[in-house]
Amino acid sequence: SQQGEEDPQALSIQEGENATMNCSYKTSINNLQWYRQNSGRGLVHLILIRSNEREKHSGRLRVTLDTSKKSSSLLITASRAADTASYFCATGRMDSSYKLIFGSGTRLLVRP
Amino acid sequence: DAGITQSPRHKVTETGTPVTLRCHQTENHRYMYWYRQDPGHGLRLIHYSYGVKDTDKGEVSDGYSVSRSKTEDFLLTLESATSSQTSVYFCAISTPLQGRENTEAFFGQGTRLTVV
Repeated sequence: SQQGEEDPQALSIQEGENATMNCSYKTSINNLQWYRQNSGRGLVHLILIRSNEREKHSGRLRVTLDTSKKSSSLLITASRAADTASYFCATGRMDSSYKLIFGSGTRLLVRP
Repeated sequence: DAGITQSPRHKVTETGTPVTLRCHQTENHRYMYWYRQDPGHGLRLIHYSYGVKDTDKGEVSDGYSVSRSKTEDFLLTLESATSSQTSVYFCAISTPLQGRENTEAFFGQGTRLTVV
C-alpha cells in the first residue's frame, strides 16, 4: 500500500486563493518531500522537511509536518494559473533503505 | 534536467514480448529508482539500486527485473510484457547522505509503454 496518501485527490480554486493539500503516511520517516508534476512531465522537487522540523517555507510554499499524527500539509499562497499541476508527497524511510515512497497525489486546478 | 535520460520515450509492444527500458545519468548519483505511474495510484516503486550490482525490490516488483552494471545505467526489463504493465515509467536518481537521510530526487521525462 502507499506510504503517503494525499487529500484531497482533486482541488479546484480561483487564481489568488490559497491551496492546501494534505499527506498522511504510515511508518517512521526521516523526512518528507513534496513534488510537483506538470501534465505529461517528470516530477520536480519542491521542498523537503525533516522529521525534527515542524514548518518550512519556500517562496509561496509553506509545509508543515506533524510526526505524532503522521501527516503533512502543503500550502500554496496566492495561487496562479501556472500552479496547475499534480502534487505528490514522498517519504524517506527510517530503515536506511533510502526508498522514496510516493503517494497518489492531488490534482490542483487554478482557474484564471 | 539533472543529466538523466530515459529511452525509449514511447514504446508499443505485444503481449509476451520482452521489453527493456533504459535510464542513463551523467551525475554520478548513487541511487537510482524505477517507478510506474498509473491513474489513481500515483507513483509506485518497482525496483531501486543503491550501487553497481546492488538492487532491491520496491512495492510492485513482480514481473520486472533490473540490472545495474555501471553507475550511469539502470535497466528495467519486462521479461514477458502483459497488458497490466501498460503504464508510464519514470526513472529517478538521488544521492542519500550516507547514514542519514534521503535527499532530493531528480526525475527523467518518463517512458510511455503500451502493451497490446
